[in-house]
Amino acid sequence: GENVEQHPSTLSVQEGDSAVIKCTYSDSASNYFPWYKQELGKGPQLIIDIRSNVGEKKDQRIAVTLNKTAKHFSLHITETQPEDSAVYFCAAPYNTDKLIFGTGTRLQVFP
Amino acid sequence: NAGVTQTPKFQVLKTGQSMTLQCAQDMNHEYMSWYRQDPGMGLRLIHYSVGAGITDQGEVPNGYNVSRSTTEDFPLRLLSAAPSQTSVYFCASSYSAGGAYNEQFFGPGTRLTVL
Repeated sequence: GENVEQHPSTLSVQEGDSAVIKCTYSDSASNYFPWYKQELGKGPQLIIDIRSNVGEKKDQRIAVTLNKTAKHFSLHITETQPEDSAVYFCAAPYNTDKLIFGTGTRLQVFP
Repeated sequence: NAGVTQTPKFQVLKTGQSMTLQCAQDMNHEYMSWYRQDPGMGLRLIHYSVGAGITDQGEVPNGYNVSRSTTEDFPLRLLSAAPSQTSVYFCASSYSAGGAYNEQFFGPGTRLTVL
């Protein structure tokens, strides 16, 4: 089955700095890679996703890059703000019906 | 739209008790799923359903049962609770036709403690 590894498990940055979270996946057939943000006491929410026909996708301060050869993808957050503090999850599908999540990264942005 | 709703928000059980976690969505989504979230383990898929009357196992199905009699509801049953089932449970839904390839809409979660 699909295995998704995520690093680091915790990340602390100063406000205004950049943050990068990396994930690797095992199933070479996977071609959809979403990122979810979970704020305290809430369910995860999709913030950005990428499909395998592109190498990079940006949405304002967040971007995701994909390297299919190496089977890894990364989330980049620039100009971090305190409201970016949350737990972030990457995910990859195992067939069309199972979405497998990484173990999560707790991001803390200090003012 | 209320989106995905879950009840209860909190529950404490004794070992061996049974209970049902409720999940409902009003978005007419065909695909629904249950995840559990444990520290350091991320979100692990328990069971999923691609439509009414159709369910299948995820990564960690043991100790849990599901059924899908309507498009809106997808309850998760614990027949005999164990301390290892202490966790936060999330229900999610998405559009049909390849549910794992579409945005998942998560409920607010149920925090379950088994003593």
